[in-house]
Amino acid sequence: GAGVSQSPSNKVTEKGKDVELRCDPISGHTALYWYRQSLGQGLEFLIYFQGNSAPDKSGLPSDRFSAERTGGSVSTLTIQRTQQEDSAVYLCASSHRDGWYEQYFGPGTRLTVT
Amino acid sequence: DQQVKQNSPSLSVQEGRISILNCDYTNSMFDYFLWYKKYPAEGPTFLISISSIKDKNEDGRFTVFLNKSAKHLSLHIVPSQPGDSAVYFCAASGGTSYGKLTFGQGTILTVHP
Repeated sequence: GAGVSQSPSNKVTEKGKDVELRCDPISGHTALYWYRQSLGQGLEFLIYFQGNSAPDKSGLPSDRFSAERTGGSVSTLTIQRTQQEDSAVYLCASSHRDGWYEQYFGPGTRLTVT
Repeated sequence: DQQVKQNSPSLSVQEGRISILNCDYTNSMFDYFLWYKKYPAEGPTFLISISSIKDKNEDGRFTVFLNKSAKHLSLHIVPSQPGDSAVYFCAASGGTSYGKLTFGQGTILTVHP
């Protein structure tokens, strides 16, 4: 079946603009995660949705970052007033509720803020 | 504050030999540990995991060892194959939010034919 898809694959934006990154999880997966990987760094947790529970937003770096998950499926990560330090690869993953350790990752969106 | 550390940025191994990738952690709340593999331009893929109630877990050519007292885990690949060349990330989870993985910086493994 289809894996996790993300769009766009690349995004170049000017400092101060807002961006939206989209994630389509694997059908039937109830959990959805957002991470980012800055150059030379490991993956940094951002936010985690599990079913209808309140999301774990503990990794969002500032209030410029927000995410929503509509209908328990597609998710959008929004970054307002982008800064150069927001440049990174943003990765989305999904999993079964009981298989949280085996997270299936999409290919990522490379965001460049100029 | 790097709670999961992979101190070796890269490792080069001959085909057929053993690859040993190391990982250290500092957070005592972590009780589940994972290894992910990543090829260029792709997302990471799950490789193997271990719970803190075990000290070893084996899956084919891959074995993960956990030393809780030292807060150290390692991934052994035997025998190494050129297709194993990738970036390997160690990750940890625990406490109240198991889905939240804390990753190390990654180790680039190169297996030479």
